[in-house]
Amino acid sequence: DTEVTQTPKHLVMGMTNKKSLKCEQHMGHRAMYWYKQKAKKPPELMFVYSYEKLSINESVPSRFSPECPNSSLLNLHLHALQPEDSALYLCASSQEGQGGDTQYFGPGTRLTVL
Amino acid sequence: SQKIEQNSEALNIQEGKTATLTCNYTNYSPAYLQWYRQDPGRGPVFLLLIRENEKEKRKERLKVTFDTTLKQSLFHITASQPADSATYLCALKKNTGFQKLVFGTGTRLLVSP
Repeated sequence: DTEVTQTPKHLVMGMTNKKSLKCEQHMGHRAMYWYKQKAKKPPELMFVYSYEKLSINESVPSRFSPECPNSSLLNLHLHALQPEDSALYLCASSQEGQGGDTQYFGPGTRLTVL
Repeated sequence: SQKIEQNSEALNIQEGKTATLTCNYTNYSPAYLQWYRQDPGRGPVFLLLIRENEKEKRKERLKVTFDTTLKQSLFHITASQPADSATYLCALKKNTGFQKLVFGTGTRLLVSP
């Protein structure tokens, strides 16, 4: 299985809602990532779990909260988001967890914050 | 400052021709460079990786070159097809900083029948 799956595909939420994005991979990869991508911009790394240890992009606001229940699953908890957080959220995994190795991306969740 | 530059204008070519996309970088010394394909609203898909000691890499109709002196990579698609229409991103490996794989903004390729 060489696929990274993400749910939901689309999400519309209000600024007071709490929601979660989910990601799963069964390739035995030891690193999983959350990226944010705005239109016509490159993916920007938000969080990395490497061997289930978390690294954080210090510029990401605390209204985004990652969780890694096990090495195959990754969640992104969303709370009190702002309209500027509307974007494509991409989950990815990689084999070695060194950060620069080949990333296998999921299809993404298109998030709209009203 | 560090930059990865890809042509922001779309590249329009006719079916059957060779498409050539450029990735230039400044103030990086990447050990390797990767190319990804991204379709609208979808995640990038890995295509090829080329290391700093490799001049050229091929995979089916794809060819990538890497010139560390010019700080440039070229990505070629031969015998292009309308199904090749997508945005192509180059990505460099960094040794420092939080994000170790840094992406360019991508070039949109449109192949007309």
